[in-house]
Amino acid sequence: GESVGLHLPTLSVQEGDNSIINCAYSNSASDYFIWYKQESGKGPQFIIDIRSNMDKRQGQRVTVLLNKTVKHLSLQIAATQPGDSAVYFCAETPPGDYKLSFGAGTTVTVRA
Amino acid sequence: NAGVTQTPKFQVLKTGQSMTLQCAQDMNHEYMSWYRQDPGMGLRLIHYSVGAGITDQGEVPNGYNVSRSTTEDFPLRLLSAAPSQTSVYFCASSSRTSGRFRSYEQYFGPGTRLTVT
Repeated sequence: GESVGLHLPTLSVQEGDNSIINCAYSNSASDYFIWYKQESGKGPQFIIDIRSNMDKRQGQRVTVLLNKTVKHLSLQIAATQPGDSAVYFCAETPPGDYKLSFGAGTTVTVRA
Repeated sequence: NAGVTQTPKFQVLKTGQSMTLQCAQDMNHEYMSWYRQDPGMGLRLIHYSVGAGITDQGEVPNGYNVSRSTTEDFPLRLLSAAPSQTSVYFCASSSRTSGRFRSYEQYFGPGTRLTVT
């Protein structure tokens, strides 16, 4: 079946550097994408979302980029901090559907 | 608002036992769902509900039952626990926002860690 996945299971980043987390999706009908952050022992927490008619959306220290041509989604975190250490999931949903399909996640570790 | 609450936080069951995982939300969200999370995997949808009295199966529904008698509560029942159901279970809720931008942000509870021996 079609699914959303992440390119790398782990990412190690130096504190202060920018982080880029990638996600490839295969369902070309998906029109809504969302990034979640999950800290150890907690439930996933919303970071940012984007619709398919947008290429870029910015939040506080985070930017999501969507490339529909190659079905690729990325999350950029500026000036990565120790508190950014977590597992990051991308998720997608097709039109008119509440259900989210999640990728396997990328574990980000921030080095001091 | 308490958001999404789940009880218990931890549970150990013996094979064959039954139990109910509780989930409640106080945000008046119409949509609620249950996921399980296994090591190295993303969240997999078990069951979901788009409103009181309406439930449907997700990706991995076998061995689980749900009901939605009120907007606030969405319990998950394990009928006869099996070791394969050892996992962390998350409940989530969301509401379709009005206006042009559809936002399906789901709010997650803290999870229930279940071990079946």
